[in-house]
Amino acid sequence: AQKVTQAQTEISVVEKEDVTLDCVYETRDTTYYLFWYKQPPSGELVFLIRRNSFDEQNEISGRYSWNFQKSTSSFNFTITASQVVDSAVYFCALRYSGTYKYIFGTGTRLKVLA
Amino acid sequence: DTAVSQTPKYLVTQMGNDKSIKCEQNLGHDTMYWYKQDSKKFLKIMFSYNNKELIINETVPNRFSPKSPDKAHLNLHINSLELGDSAVYFCASSQGVGLRTLNQPQHFGDGTRLSIL
Repeated sequence: AQKVTQAQTEISVVEKEDVTLDCVYETRDTTYYLFWYKQPPSGELVFLIRRNSFDEQNEISGRYSWNFQKSTSSFNFTITASQVVDSAVYFCALRYSGTYKYIFGTGTRLKVLA
Repeated sequence: DTAVSQTPKYLVTQMGNDKSIKCEQNLGHDTMYWYKQDSKKFLKIMFSYNNKELIINETVPNRFSPKSPDKAHLNLHINSLELGDSAVYFCASSQGVGLRTLNQPQHFGDGTRLSIL
């Protein structure tokens, strides 16, 4: 089965804390891509990052970093020194070869408190 | 300049009415989608068209009918609206399904918030 699990429904942190959002995926395919999207309170869905199944290098972009581990089928997202503007729902998604579908997780709502 | 635009942004209507939501993309993508997002924020795929051909048709009441006049447009018509149709509907687009385009993220419109009274 092709599936994405975001077990954390909601996380609350205080500003400046680090926070990690978990994403676990299932796929039989060897070629696939993983994506993270952000949905702030204003409602739009914003693409953050993609990672292909052959590239396990971690990625860092400012305060954001992503850890892809095929051994545990995980693609976790860490925000360092969180800010109130990071408050949003974050979605992890999977796309495997030969499909038009993007399989989304159920999302994790992050609340960063001032 | 907007990549994926959907109209209207808000739609408030009575039960039993028929309504349409329009979506247009200027990214040159060949595939478009409709998603429904409920109050718990679950994103559920409804339909997808590739070059005007229906390729994904999830379990959706037949009161919902998508129409794609060309690959840049995908509209959603809903008949006999019910209370449970209240949600945010997102249009999205992406390019292709081959290995070269597998890495392409979906681009989303800003959503249409549908409220049924």
